[in-house]
Amino acid sequence: KAGVTQTPRYLIKTRGQQVTLSCSPISGHRSVSWYQQTPGQGLQFLFEYFSETQRNKGNFPGRFSGRQFSNSRSEMNVSTLELGDSALYLCASSLTGTGLSTKNIQYFGAGTRLSVL
Amino acid sequence: GQQVMQIPQYQHVQEGEDFTTYCNSSTTLSNIQWYKQRPGGHPVFLIQLVKSGEVKKQKRLTFQFGEAKKNSSLHITATQTTDVGTYFCAGQNPMNYGGSQGNLIFGKGTKLSVKP
Repeated sequence: KAGVTQTPRYLIKTRGQQVTLSCSPISGHRSVSWYQQTPGQGLQFLFEYFSETQRNKGNFPGRFSGRQFSNSRSEMNVSTLELGDSALYLCASSLTGTGLSTKNIQYFGAGTRLSVL
Repeated sequence: GQQVMQIPQYQHVQEGEDFTTYCNSSTTLSNIQWYKQRPGGHPVFLIQLVKSGEVKKQKRLTFQFGEAKKNSSLHITATQTTDVGTYFCAGQNPMNYGGSQGNLIFGKGTKLSVKP
């Protein structure tokens, strides 16, 4: 079974631009979560999508948005980029994202490293 | 808001020494998960603890979930250079806690380095 695929792996943008990151979850997984990872802040939760609906949202400004398609693939968009948005963006998929069973185990992709100049 | 605190932030040990990282939540959790991220890699699931007071072992790794389901620990016996990486705990809120529907909250991780 193929793992979680994120594209692109690396991205360089300038301030004010916008960016779209893509995530293809493991086949059969319906929940996709996005995280921002920086050296000082660890893994910060951005949002989670399940069945094309945003189910949970972290404390990020509205410049960060996402969506999920009917095939569970997800995209994340950041508009009006700021220098502080430079980070590794990780996508994780799980069967359901909630519950006490192993269905909420997160399987991470390799991430997209975004550099904002 | 809900927080998961993890200590220490960094730990340097000599190969063969033991290592422990601790995780504390401000709220009762439904379950807790542990992940390991090797340098340059992505987090990889290690284990999930669900029951109050649960203890699970994976070779040299011992995971514990507190009786109140608000804290957890990971203990590595006789560390090896292959243990290098950052260890994250992730607590899951009970369903519909505070309006959320059980999202995972990650600690900031403990970065382990092992000197051969």
